[in-house]
Amino acid sequence: SYELTQPSSVSVSPGQTARITCSGDVLAKKYARWFQQKPGQAPVLVIYKDSERPSGIPERFSGSSSGTTVTLTISGAQVEDEADYYCYSAADNSWVFGGGTKLTVL
Amino acid sequence: EVQLVESGGGLVQPGGSLRLSCAASGFTFSSYWMSWVRQAPGKGLEWVANIKQDGSEKYYVDSVKGRFTISRDNAKNSLYLQMNSLRAEDTAVYYCARGTMDVWGQGTTVTVSS
Repeated sequence: SYELTQPSSVSVSPGQTARITCSGDVLAKKYARWFQQKPGQAPVLVIYKDSERPSGIPERFSGSSSGTTVTLTISGAQVEDEADYYCYSAADNSWVFGGGTKLTVL
Repeated sequence: EVQLVESGGGLVQPGGSLRLSCAASGFTFSSYWMSWVRQAPGKGLEWVANIKQDGSEKYYVDSVKGRFTISRDNAKNSLYLQMNSLRAEDTAVYYCARGTMDVWGQGTTVTVSS
């Protein structure tokens, strides 16, 4: 098995850029996805294949990859972006989520 | 409308069994891998199992191997998770998700307690 490591929390003021990282050896050769989860709700896919954005996801959400780290960037974060964010990847028929990052926007 | 609806959760004693179901609608179910993901109270997401379109490949997280079985019935547009020998640490909200996890159900709660 393998691990994906995220910071437990990130805090920004409204309008600032929020960056959430996810690190793991598998990310050097496998794509990552990012999910947003608000309290009491199911997760929502916000980024796939490291940097692709599903339809309906605001353009302020973007993803990037460098070596063993992927980054979710929220440009001009809004109060409604406050949520838990999880990275996710797969290797050798094993799928793993990162531990999650609580994003606070206030 | 593309939709996944889970059912079958509930309270069960340690060592007991439950069968979760996930009913799919609004898309061609047989064309997608399907997954189960769980979330223990106050904890993060954990991938549990997934299954190929025709059921020929199935994969599980180590902690449930030998206890849980994922299956599907493409004729009924349904995904299942048979959970045996349940433990307290299996207590969680269980979600089903489509393919790249672009669609999720609302979740069903499983509580393992005496």
